Amino acid sequence: AQSVTQPDIHITVSEGASLELRCNYSYGATPYLFWYVQSPGQGLQLLLKYFSGDTLVQGIKGFEAEFKRSQSSFNLRKPSVHWSDAAEYFCAVGAGSAGNMLTFGGGTRLMVKP
Amino acid sequence: ETGVTQTPRHLVMGMTNKKSLKCEQHLGHNAMYWYKQSAKKPLELMFVYSLEERVENNSVPSRFSPECPNSSHLFLHLHTLQPEDSALYLCASSQVADSEQYFGPGTRLTVT
Repeated sequence: AQSVTQPDIHITVSEGASLELRCNYSYGATPYLFWYVQSPGQGLQLLLKYFSGDTLVQGIKGFEAEFKRSQSSFNLRKPSVHWSDAAEYFCAVGAGSAGNMLTFGGGTRLMVKP
Repeated sequence: ETGVTQTPRHLVMGMTNKKSLKCEQHLGHNAMYWYKQSAKKPLELMFVYSLEERVENNSVPSRFSPECPNSSHLFLHLHTLQPEDSALYLCASSQVADSEQYFGPGTRLTVT
């Protein structure tokens, strides 16, 4: 069975600083990998996804993630954080032929200092 | 309405009540999902419907009963719930052959 670990429950960064959120996965085949963001009182919004091709994936809102098979990681990065990025971020691995059976990590809550 | 909508947004129910959560998608998708998001556990996939047929049921207790009457609507019928069932219930939709899911805002359920 697949699993996802997000080691950091909370992260605080200053506005304008760079950000990296960690995600490690366990899955027996080539994974479908996702990052979602959830703002308070909202559902989840897809930031980016990977299932093949270039291991550096660009997403919305200036986010990117890099798939590293050797490390079973799919870390999310942003070069300069904005106050509006404060939210909870979820990494997920997708099983099934379309990768739509999602298993989520526990989430990382991002706080942004002015 | 656009995207995925869920009603009600908040629900308080007693352990002996029967209630239903509703989800509607306006995206032309043909797969729909129920997830449970509780404070102490990661988001859990509960049910998956593909082309209106249930294809996944992740060992969910029978007090949760899903219904998918057509590709645009999904219900979660609740009866004799327990306090530990209090959570945010999220609905999502996608195309069957696509991994990208669109989520609704959720229903915050409190069981008293």
